[in-house]
Amino acid sequence: AQKITQTQPGMFVQEKEAVTLDCTYDTSDQSYGLFWYKQPSSGEMIFLIYQGSYDEQNATEGRYSLNFQKARKSANLVISASQLGDSAMYFCAMREWGGADGLTFGKGTHLIIQP
Amino acid sequence: GAGVSQSPRYKVAKRGQDVALRCDPISGHVSLFWYQQALGQGPEFLTYFQNEAQLDKSGLPSDRFFAERPEGSVSTLKIQRTQQEDSAVYLCASSLEGTGRTSTDTQYFGPGTRLTVL
Repeated sequence: AQKITQTQPGMFVQEKEAVTLDCTYDTSDQSYGLFWYKQPSSGEMIFLIYQGSYDEQNATEGRYSLNFQKARKSANLVISASQLGDSAMYFCAMREWGGADGLTFGKGTHLIIQP
Repeated sequence: GAGVSQSPRYKVAKRGQDVALRCDPISGHVSLFWYQQALGQGPEFLTYFQNEAQLDKSGLPSDRFFAERPEGSVSTLKIQRTQQEDSAVYLCASSLEGTGRTSTDTQYFGPGTRLTVL
């Protein structure tokens, strides 16, 4: 079974609109961290936001916020006021503290912002 | 400050050749990770170093893959007798601390090396 599921292979959004990228995860660990990364066409993975499993408040970083619903095992990324430069692949990832040391990534969502 | 750098950015190899991919992590970062990203997929974990110690190599796909970090800074991923299925982008990431439970565990990635095996 997939540990990270991103159900939206691609999304088109009008500039300045808000966008929600879906991510659900599967773990039996109580302690884990959830990450979102942006990968533009240049290929570099850019860290956006982090949520720990014990964090009670949703994480926010500028225009990015993470809608963390622990009971539903959901960690959706919300981008407010989208910009043309937001066009990229977006990956949700998880690290389980009782598991392997690396991150487990989803398949990604290709976001295209239209003017 | 300087981020993670990788070289070469692009590598074309003939099937059966050996290749070496280099990663320079962010200065002072304890942890270093290698990932493999196939076309259209998310990255997949290969191996992890804490300083010079390779603590996790559970993701290495075969014994043709070998990684080292002899002085706890620069790392090299070596692939022997390359096969076409090795074609992918190889990403290196570093983080400040060991694999602990705080947000400073955030991994910062380099630009990757795109390997094409003909």
